[in-house]
Amino acid sequence: GAVVSQHPSWVICKSGTSVKIECRSLDFQATTMFWYRQFPKQSLMLMATSNEGSKATYEQGVEKDKFLINHASLTLSTLTVTSAHPEDSSFYICSARDIGATTYGYTFGSGTRLTVV
Amino acid sequence: GQNIDQPTEMTATEGAIVQINCTYQTSGFNGLFWYQQHAGEAPTFLSYNVLDGLEEKGRFSSFLSRSKGYSYLLLKELQMKDSASYLCAAMDSNYQLIWGAGTKLIIKP
Repeated sequence: GAVVSQHPSWVICKSGTSVKIECRSLDFQATTMFWYRQFPKQSLMLMATSNEGSKATYEQGVEKDKFLINHASLTLSTLTVTSAHPEDSSFYICSARDIGATTYGYTFGSGTRLTVV
Repeated sequence: GQNIDQPTEMTATEGAIVQINCTYQTSGFNGLFWYQQHAGEAPTFLSYNVLDGLEEKGRFSSFLSRSKGYSYLLLKELQMKDSASYLCAAMDSNYQLIWGAGTKLIIKP
């Protein structure tokens, strides 16, 4: 089945630094990648939708200059949290849809636990 | 607006059956997903319904009624490992997923 590889699994960084999270689709072409954030005991919140070769579409309230998304190829999308602050500490998850699948299943990366100290 | 409703928490006994309900309102509809999420992990796909009726897959079944905007996930022969959050998500006309807040299922021995 479709696999999305997400790295790193967890990261601790100092306030003010930047962190890059990578998501790769291993056996399918992900023309669209979705980036979610999940705070403890809350549901997934869509941050942005990235399309290969074009600018990402950000959800209302998400700062595009703070959360930089790059989707330069059909198999790789990155999310960079710039000038991270403790309130950015969260679980970040990417997801891609394998349009070749018959069930329109969304495949999720394993998630990245970001802690900003 | 678009909205997904599901219970916040449910408790069931090992070996029993539990039904988790979900109601949805979306702009257009392209199917209803159920995902399982263990604490600290990413969601994993359980089922997808786009036509009315019941889809059975082992111990898990999912039902959809498009006219009622309603779905449920049925878990049989509950095992301790089924303790997790169960997320309902509806796909709208733009093929975007609208997520529910999740139902935390607690299994007791």
